[in-house]
Amino acid sequence: ELKVEQNPLFLSMQEGKNYTIYCNYSTTSDRLYWYRQDPGKSLESLFVLLSNGAVKQEGRLMASLDTKARLSTLHITAAVHDLSATYFCAVDSTSGTYKYIFGTGTRLKVLA
Amino acid sequence: NAGVTQTPKFQVLKTGQSMTLQCAQDMNHNSMYWYRQDPGMGLRLIYYSASEGTTDKGEVPNGYNVSRLNKREFSLRLESAAPSQTSVYFCASSRGLADKNIQYFGAGTRLSVL
Repeated sequence: ELKVEQNPLFLSMQEGKNYTIYCNYSTTSDRLYWYRQDPGKSLESLFVLLSNGAVKQEGRLMASLDTKARLSTLHITAAVHDLSATYFCAVDSTSGTYKYIFGTGTRLKVLA
Repeated sequence: NAGVTQTPKFQVLKTGQSMTLQCAQDMNHNSMYWYRQDPGMGLRLIYYSASEGTTDKGEVPNGYNVSRLNKREFSLRLESAAPSQTSVYFCASSRGLADKNIQYFGAGTRLSVL
């Protein structure tokens, strides 16, 4: 069964600091996604990672994928208040029964 | 630039009542999805439709039915609402399995079942 786990679940950090969010998944996946959700809002796509070693960066966020370890990371560099949101990773797999599974999310709060 | 449109935005039901959540997308996407979001549990897939004319169960399908009315529309029906179905429901669409399959989400429906 495909399971996706994120840690930490909650993260409070000071502006200017760096931190990493981890996403582990349990079985072979075709694609790994990162989404952002602002409070009371919908989800927006940040990155899609398609292969082992893939790295995507936009602004202060960088995502990477290690398919052998079944691990993706979302690294935050020099955090700013505008990055405060909940971040979800998700995986999908066409092996067997198709699944698109989200992690439980990491709620990030950046303190000024 | 409508994207994915969900109606209604808010709904309060009594236990045992039925209702249908509507979802429409204007991006010519092949695949559509229904999720529920509960505190501390992320998003859980209820049903999905990989392409027009097909629907399949997700993680938590019990108590729900869906209809892929055409390529644009995918509805979710609660036949007899229960308090455990109090949640925020999101509809999403994507180009499909053969593509990057990035999902685009609607604004959500906040449902309370009393």
